[in-house]
Amino acid sequence: EDKVVQSPLSLVVHEGDTVTLNCSYEVTNFRSLLWYKQEKKAPTFLFMLTSSGIEKKSGRLSSILDKKELFSILNITATQTGDSAVYLCAVESRSGGSNYKLTFGKGTLLTVNP
Amino acid sequence: DGGITQSPKYLFRKEGQNVTLSCEQNLNHDAMYWYRQDPGQGLRLIYYSQIVNDFQKGDIAEGYSVSREKKESFPLTVTSAQKNPTAFYLCASSADRHVAQYFGPGTRLTVL
Repeated sequence: EDKVVQSPLSLVVHEGDTVTLNCSYEVTNFRSLLWYKQEKKAPTFLFMLTSSGIEKKSGRLSSILDKKELFSILNITATQTGDSAVYLCAVESRSGGSNYKLTFGKGTLLTVNP
Repeated sequence: DGGITQSPKYLFRKEGQNVTLSCEQNLNHDAMYWYRQDPGQGLRLIYYSQIVNDFQKGDIAEGYSVSREKKESFPLTVTSAQKNPTAFYLCASSADRHVAQYFGPGTRLTVL
């Protein structure tokens, strides 16, 4: 059974801090790893990673994938209160034939205090 | 405005009743998905459809049914066979079958 584990499950920091969120996975037929931000309702897409060692960056957020060690990290620098959200990691894998699916971790709840 | 709409936002039903959740997208996406989210849990895949008139079971399909008669629409029926139907339901779509990148706003179903 495919597994995606995120850590920590929750984190409280002060504005301006830098945080690192972790995602490890065990799946067969890995294709890609995705990060989403979920504030209240719909998760919004942040990054998709397919290759090891190549950092994806968007503003203060960055992410990198290690396919040998089967994990990814999401970094947020100079955190702001608007970064408070649940961050979801999901791994895409082939589920049989030409079918693909996403397996999600439980998420990391990040709270940024002013 | 392109996007995914789900209705209703909140839904209350009595135990034993079937209920249908709506999901519509105008993004011209081929693939559509239904997920369930419970407190402290990640999203779990219920059903997905890669093309009209075709769909596959996800990890927790028991007690649910879907149809895909039109590209834009992928309704989910929560049947009375679903033991714990109270949850937050999210619909998603993607341009191809590989990733679910766009999510709707969700429907919170409470069964009394």
